[in-house]
Amino acid sequence: DTEVTQTPKHLVMGMTNKKSLKCEQHMGHRAMYWYKQKAKKPPELMFVYSYEKLSINESVPSRFSPECPNSSLLNLHLHALQPEDSALYLCASSQDGGAGGWETQYFGPGTRLLVL
Amino acid sequence: AQSVTQLDSHVSVSEGTPVLLRCNYSSSYSPSLFWYVQHPNKGLQLLLKYTSAATLVKGINGFEAEFKKSETSFHLTKPSAHMSDAAEYFCVGKSGGSNYKLTFGKGTLLTVNP
Repeated sequence: DTEVTQTPKHLVMGMTNKKSLKCEQHMGHRAMYWYKQKAKKPPELMFVYSYEKLSINESVPSRFSPECPNSSLLNLHLHALQPEDSALYLCASSQDGGAGGWETQYFGPGTRLLVL
Repeated sequence: AQSVTQLDSHVSVSEGTPVLLRCNYSSSYSPSLFWYVQHPNKGLQLLLKYTSAATLVKGINGFEAEFKKSETSFHLTKPSAHMSDAAEYFCVGKSGGSNYKLTFGKGTLLTVNP
């Protein structure tokens, strides 16, 4: 099974709201990722967790706050977002077993976020 | 640093005809290369990956890609297009020095005409 699940599928929020995106995988992967994808563009990396510790933050604004409560779960907390943050947010996971460049990232279906 | 270039932003084929999506890479060392497909409003699905074990890589749904070091290419092909192949395709490489960072091409939109 190579499934990464994400909830919700769609989210509409105002600029003063607080919401969270959830990602889950049961493949035993120890690296988990958040990406942002704008229309007709490739995904852009936001955060990487390795063994539940934040490994990479690609200079993402603090209104995005990631959390990795356990090895299967990854959250993205959203607060005071701007309309330009509207995008498809993708979660991915990989084994992080030291194979380096050969490891495959498996993507979830994404959450379509609209900020009004 | 590795870079990935998809040579066509849009490819249009007729159903039943061959598909060719072109990708060139630049890397100072043996690259890790992948092809992903993204159907409208969906996540990315892995089609195939190059692992250096074989230069011709077979993937899902009849797709395959050939790694050609002399041409620094990793083109994706399929003998006969199906309507369900219509999607965005990304050629992806692994950035040097990182286990985690992917280098995405800009994507090729494949349209399949009946």
